[in-house]
Amino acid sequence: DADVTQTPRNRITKTGKRIMLECSQTKGHDRMYWYRQDPGLGLRLIYYSFDVKDINKGEISDGYSVSRQAQAKFSLSLESAIPNQTALYFCATQGSRAGVTYEQFFGPGTRLTVL
Amino acid sequence: RKEVEQDPGPFNVPEGATVAFNCTYSNSASQSFFWYRQDCRKEPKLLMSVYSSGNEDGRFTAQLNRASQYISLLIRDSKLSDSATYLCVVNFYGGSQGNLIFGKGTKLSVKP
Repeated sequence: DADVTQTPRNRITKTGKRIMLECSQTKGHDRMYWYRQDPGLGLRLIYYSFDVKDINKGEISDGYSVSRQAQAKFSLSLESAIPNQTALYFCATQGSRAGVTYEQFFGPGTRLTVL
Repeated sequence: RKEVEQDPGPFNVPEGATVAFNCTYSNSASQSFFWYRQDCRKEPKLLMSVYSSGNEDGRFTAQLNRASQYISLLIRDSKLSDSATYLCVVNFYGGSQGNLIFGKGTKLSVKP
């Protein structure tokens, strides 16, 4: 089974709808991230969380919100979807230890289309 | 100056060729470096970490030049299956937006 899972894998929705993307991990990592990827723009950080009580905005958080329900779960919400939020969304996890930061592990992605 | 810069490519090479990618980073305090591989419409996956003394994993060699603030990835004897986008990733302590910065990637296409 995959260590980092995302649901749904594909979603088509309409402008103005509320959408939730979910991410679960079995790696036991404290750190979790949400990115979006658009052609030519690379990965851009939306939100990140270093533990259940810690939520931080990334470079493009406007129009998004997150919830860290448990160490293993981190969900991303689009309160009122708009067409320019059409993108590929990735969740990632990362282990941590004092003074060391490790590589990130990505989920398979959610392809979101907002009409 | 952008934090992590890569030549977007594409690099079109024949099978068996040697190809090298470079990546520059702006933060001299950066401590950890990685190369990721991303196939079309798939998630990025770690290819290899980059260590100060340079490191090799089969046909792949990564090197770090701290003085010039760049890292490189060398692929020898290219295979068709090496076709992908290669992301340069840099970590630095004290960052306000998480700790990993991803380059936009260099696209490699290996032809028969």
